[in-house]
Amino acid sequence: DQQVKQNSPSLSVQEGRISILNCDYTNSMFDYFLWYKKYPAEGPTFLISISSIKDKNEDGRFTVFLNKSAKHLSLHIVPSQPGDSAVYFCAASKSGGSNYKLTFGKGTLLTVNP
Amino acid sequence: NAGVMQNPRHLVRRRGQEARLRCSPMKGHSHVYWYRQLPEEGLKFMVYLQKENIIDESGMPKERFSAEFPKEGPSILRIQQVVRGDSAAYFCASSPRGTQNTGELFFGEGSRLTVL
Repeated sequence: DQQVKQNSPSLSVQEGRISILNCDYTNSMFDYFLWYKKYPAEGPTFLISISSIKDKNEDGRFTVFLNKSAKHLSLHIVPSQPGDSAVYFCAASKSGGSNYKLTFGKGTLLTVNP
Repeated sequence: NAGVMQNPRHLVRRRGQEARLRCSPMKGHSHVYWYRQLPEEGLKFMVYLQKENIIDESGMPKERFSAEFPKEGPSILRIQQVVRGDSAAYFCASSPRGTQNTGELFFGEGSRLTVL
C-alpha cells in the first residue's frame, strides 16, 4: 500500500523554465510534508517543508503548494537551473511524536537541460 | 566533515553471511534513524535509536535484523544470514531533537549492500 505517490518517474525541463513536481498521498493522518533532493551516490538532503495548516510555503526559487482536500502537493522550482537536476522525493509524516517516521514516495528524476 | 558518516559505502556479501553497517551522527545529534531503499522504491523507515536505547523499531524486519547505538561509538545496523532480498541502500539519518522535530532529518550518503 503506497501511501505517498509520485506518479512521474522523470521530468525534463529547459533551464530558466518552471519545474513542477507532483505528489499525492492517501493517508489523511499525514499533517507534515517535506521535499528531499538526492544527487547520485549521495544521501537525500532536505529542501523545503509545509505543515497542513498552510497551503503554501516559499523559499527562494522553491515553493511548495498543499491542497489538503485533494491530498496533493507540488513543488515548483522557478527558474530551473542545471544544478537542480536530481531525484526529488516527496515525504509525509504524522505529528504526535512519530514525525521522524517519514513515508517517502518513489521519487521523480528531474533533468534541467542547459 | 561534520555530516552523517556511514561506512562502508559499498558492501558485498554472499548469502548466509553477516552484514554490519555503521553510522556516526552529525556532531551534536543524539538521535539516529535507519532507512532502507530497495531498488525502484522510496526510502522506508526501519528504526529510531538514541544512545543505548531503541525508541521505535516498528519498521525492522522481525528476524535477522538488529540495531544498536552504544554509549560510545557509532550506531550499527546488523543483518544476519543475508539473503538476496536484503540488497538495498541503507541510509542513516540523525537529528538534534527526537520526536519534537519536524521530520527534517540529516541523511548520510548511504551504504549499498549487495548480496550475491
